Amino acid sequence: AQKVTQAQTEISVVEKEDVTLDCVYETRDTTYYLFWYKQPPSGELVFLIRRNSFDEQNEISGRYSWNFQKSTSSFNFTITASQVVDSAVYFCARAPSNTGKLIFGQGTTLQVKP
Amino acid sequence: DSGVTQTPKHLITATGQRVTLRCSPRSGDLSVYWYQQSLDQGLQFLIQYYNGEERAKGNILERFSAQQFPDLHSELNLSSLELGDSALYFCASSVAGRPNYGYTFGSGTRLTVV
Repeated sequence: AQKVTQAQTEISVVEKEDVTLDCVYETRDTTYYLFWYKQPPSGELVFLIRRNSFDEQNEISGRYSWNFQKSTSSFNFTITASQVVDSAVYFCARAPSNTGKLIFGQGTTLQVKP
Repeated sequence: DSGVTQTPKHLITATGQRVTLRCSPRSGDLSVYWYQQSLDQGLQFLIQYYNGEERAKGNILERFSAQQFPDLHSELNLSSLELGDSALYFCASSVAGRPNYGYTFGSGTRLTVV
């Protein structure tokens, strides 16, 4: 199966630390999309980023940044100067370009302690 | 409010029963997706509809069925419920049936089977 792997099940950091969440995917597709979602304790899925497989530029949005490396099939997510409100489960997902189906990783639970 | 409405938010029912989960997509979106989030299986794609027609099928049990109506809302029917069906069921919608425009998720229906 062309799966998405988030090897870190749980990460615990102290506020203001930087933290990187790893995501590795398998695919035989030429074109695909990668996503990150945040699931806070309230349960909803919050969209963070979508990246096309042809666009390998890294992206920064405030304290969030993403490093996409096609050569290693990785799409890692870094939170700089973490805050307690960042505590959540984070999901990485992949979708082939020709279908709408999202394949999710198992998620990484991030706990940011004050 | 994401624009995707799921009802009910919570549902408690007994084993062997049948329930219907409802999803109204964001205005203008033609495609609807259903996902199941359980502790042991994680977030799993169930089924996708596009403008009333089934587009893709995932790991959906035979006891489960879905449809998308002419007004584009969708219903997921779960029958002969088992304890293991307890999960958070998400609906998502998108403009087209592909990932290039992203997805909007509803807040989910939490189903508890007792």
